[in-house]
Amino acid sequence: EAQVTQNPRYLITVTGKKLTVTCSQNMNHEYMSWYRQDPGLGLRQIYYSMNVEVTDKGDVPEGYKVSRKEKRNFPLILESPSPNQTSLYFCASAPGQGTYEQYFGPGTRLTVT
Amino acid sequence: GQQVMQIPQYQHVQEGEDFTTYCNSSTTLSNIQWYKQRPGGHPVFLIQLVKSGEVKKQKRLTFQFGEAKKNSSLHITATQTTDVGTYFCAGGGSQGNLIFGKGTKLSVKP
Repeated sequence: EAQVTQNPRYLITVTGKKLTVTCSQNMNHEYMSWYRQDPGLGLRQIYYSMNVEVTDKGDVPEGYKVSRKEKRNFPLILESPSPNQTSLYFCASAPGQGTYEQYFGPGTRLTVT
Repeated sequence: GQQVMQIPQYQHVQEGEDFTTYCNSSTTLSNIQWYKQRPGGHPVFLIQLVKSGEVKKQKRLTFQFGEAKKNSSLHITATQTTDVGTYFCAGGGSQGNLIFGKGTKLSVKP
């Protein structure tokens, strides 16, 4: 089944404790992206990757890191999480450029206390 | 940067009424996509429009892309409770990215 998977689905952590949210897709898509969703703010792009070893900042990259060492994986790293990073995070992938239809993962609900 | 404005933010309708959400961009978009997010779910792709003035239909849903490729609308005829959710438009930007609107949250009263 073609899908985007994210882990963990739910995470409660404390300020400053490094964490990684994994994202994997099995559709051989070139484009991958991370979004955060907050009430009233819609989907805001954090980082995206057009292909392996190519990553670019989105609209809200501060406090986040990403890497794209393999085509299928695009982990999101929070080196020192803060409470303002409490949010619902979605990973997405698309064939070709990001303007193609995007397939979203199930989401990761992160709470930073 | 490029922005896509979407209105209204919320819409409450009685089952059977029609519903429309609008998206506007200050710059020309390469395409426009529409997504639906059910409560507790993730955004799911509905449709893509590419051509100026394009109109597409999916059962009770009608999607339009403006002549100048700067605006779009989604119209639902005779809403049902299964239409509940948040509808997002997303425009293709100049940097090869999708620019999402903030979404319209639709609630349907049976």
